[in-house]
Amino acid sequence: EPEVTQTPSHQVTQMGQEVILRCVPISNHLYFYWYRQILGQKVEFLVSFYNNEISEKSEIFDDQFSVERPDGSNFTLKIRSTKLEDSAMYFCASCFGLAGSASTDTQYFGPGTRLTVL
Amino acid sequence: GEDVEQSLFLSVREGDSSVINCTYTDSSSTYLYWYKQEPGAGLQLLTYIFSNMDMKQDQRLTVLLNKKDKHLSLRIADTQTGDSAIYFCAEKVAGTASKLTFGTGTRLQVTL
Repeated sequence: EPEVTQTPSHQVTQMGQEVILRCVPISNHLYFYWYRQILGQKVEFLVSFYNNEISEKSEIFDDQFSVERPDGSNFTLKIRSTKLEDSAMYFCASCFGLAGSASTDTQYFGPGTRLTVL
Repeated sequence: GEDVEQSLFLSVREGDSSVINCTYTDSSSTYLYWYKQEPGAGLQLLTYIFSNMDMKQDQRLTVLLNKKDKHLSLRIADTQTGDSAIYFCAEKVAGTASKLTFGTGTRLQVTL
């Protein structure tokens, strides 16, 4: 069964450094998402991406963050100048999205990347 | 705006039924989902229900939706130790492929 994959599973970085989190969505999916979960808290939406542009973003997704689909398979989240409070589990998700039905709108999540900022 | 709330913890004995509850605020929700998160793992889709349905059954899982009260529940029949996990409900409002808003998650502990 196709699945969303993410690399690395765990990233440790120093405060102020830049990190790139990588995701490979399910191959025929058209919509891509990043969510984050700070330890013990809710899963929060960051950004959605469709047709090579951001379709929606939350107030968390400020200028420190950017997303890119550099090729036909990868979807990346870049965090510039990381802060301690960026430490969280980052989840990538994808869905097919066309036709607006339950099955095509269902988002499938990757296993997450745990980011630790020291 | 959207807000989704769940109780934090539920403990049941193996073999009993578990009922996990969720309330949401946005009346324009189109689909409501249940995801399962095992320790250190990602979010696994369990089931979903369309907002014009009252009930959906899928093997051991039964989802009940009370749209008037904006209340969603997930019943797990014959709960097993492997069901121990955090269960998140999530709502999706109208709009193709729009974002999910998650609840706080309910930690289900299954005891022998």
